[in-house]
Amino acid sequence: GQQLNQSPQSMFIQEGEDVSMNCTSSSIFNTWLWYKQDPGEGPVLLIALYKAGELTSNGRLTAQFGITRKDSFLNISASIPSDVGIYFCAGLTGGTSYGKLTFGQGTILTVHP
Amino acid sequence: NAGVMQNPRHLVRRRGQEARLRCSPMKGHSHVYWYRQLPEEGLKFMVYLQKENIIDESGMPKERFSAEFPKEGPSILRIQQVVRGDSAAYFCGGQSTNTGELFFGEGSRLTVL
Repeated sequence: GQQLNQSPQSMFIQEGEDVSMNCTSSSIFNTWLWYKQDPGEGPVLLIALYKAGELTSNGRLTAQFGITRKDSFLNISASIPSDVGIYFCAGLTGGTSYGKLTFGQGTILTVHP
Repeated sequence: NAGVMQNPRHLVRRRGQEARLRCSPMKGHSHVYWYRQLPEEGLKFMVYLQKENIIDESGMPKERFSAEFPKEGPSILRIQQVVRGDSAAYFCGGQSTNTGELFFGEGSRLTVL
């Protein structure tokens, strides 16, 4: 089946630093989604990308849909303590009417004040 | 959680018992997706249902697991004769018909003793 390789697995950074994480796949995806999950909660959608090459921002978050449609990255600028959590990339192969996602393994982010 | 409601939030069962997890989708939506998250892993697709129909159950174990979405009432994910390996968080998702983005509920956390 399809797999997404997400890296790094974990990051320990100081407050104020920038963060970058990425996902790669051997398969093509039509849509890339980035989620954040806090302990004991469900994943919350951060950014959605629909076109190859697309660069999208949401506040301090920026994500890009790779040209080959096989990769995506997420950047967080000027990190703050509430950025702590697990970040997941997810790829969608079907159309917008079919939400069968493949998830990466997650990146655990720890921010030291 | 974008209006996706799940219950119970936490469920404890002994080996061999049955677990029933419920999901009510976003208002106006007639489909749900169930995903499972094992500890320290990403979410994995289990089943996609529309009202009274199973559309895709390719991610659901063939034995002991079943899902339904009746005409009236919530979707039910049923696990019979639970084993310790069934301990996980089970998430229900709904998809935006405009953007294809998938939104998740808070999850049901099953612990099998």
